[in-house]
Amino acid sequence: AQKVTQAQTEISVVEKEDVTLDCVYETRDTTYYLFWYKQPPSGELVFLIRRNSFDEQNEISGRYSWNFQKSTSSFNFTITASQVVDSAVYFCALSEARGFKTIFGAGTRLFVKA
Amino acid sequence: GAGVSQSPSNKVTEKGKDVELRCDPISGHTALYWYRQSLGQGLEFLIYFQGNSAPDKSGLPSDRFSAERTGGSVSTLTIQRTQQEDSAVYLCASSPEAANTEAFFGQGTRLTVV
Repeated sequence: AQKVTQAQTEISVVEKEDVTLDCVYETRDTTYYLFWYKQPPSGELVFLIRRNSFDEQNEISGRYSWNFQKSTSSFNFTITASQVVDSAVYFCALSEARGFKTIFGAGTRLFVKA
Repeated sequence: GAGVSQSPSNKVTEKGKDVELRCDPISGHTALYWYRQSLGQGLEFLIYFQGNSAPDKSGLPSDRFSAERTGGSVSTLTIQRTQQEDSAVYLCASSPEAANTEAFFGQGTRLTVV
């Protein structure tokens, strides 16, 4: 069965600090997709990244970077030089290719203080 | 509209009443999902529609919950005989293809059962 675990419920950092949000997943499939979404205080989830199971290259987009490691079933998200606007709930999600259900983790609430 | 639209944005109902929540997906998107987000919790999958295929209802928590999608576009989630534990934010999302692509979320309907 699919499962996504985000062990960090809340993280609080001071602006300009780097922060890593952890995501560990479980699946029996060899083909699957991993996602990160951001939910700001306004409530609307915003897509950040999608990664398929065959692409283990790390990705960097501005201050955001993602580390995908199949050996540890992890897909961690790092924000470099955090800003107050990064304050939000971040969700990691998993979708198996043969099905259509996307499972979300419980989310990590990030507070970035000025 | 440009994004996924949900109505109403807020709904307060008395225990035992039926409610209908509406979702207008992005035009042309064939996939539509409903999720439930209880206070401080992650997203719980409810149901998925893809084109003309039979919906995946595996996440519906009880037979009091049902959903339909008319004409491959607008979807309605119906909760019959509402209970207090149904109180949550109900999120709708759509995507151009299957679940392993980016999903675009609406702002949700906050349902409060009193």
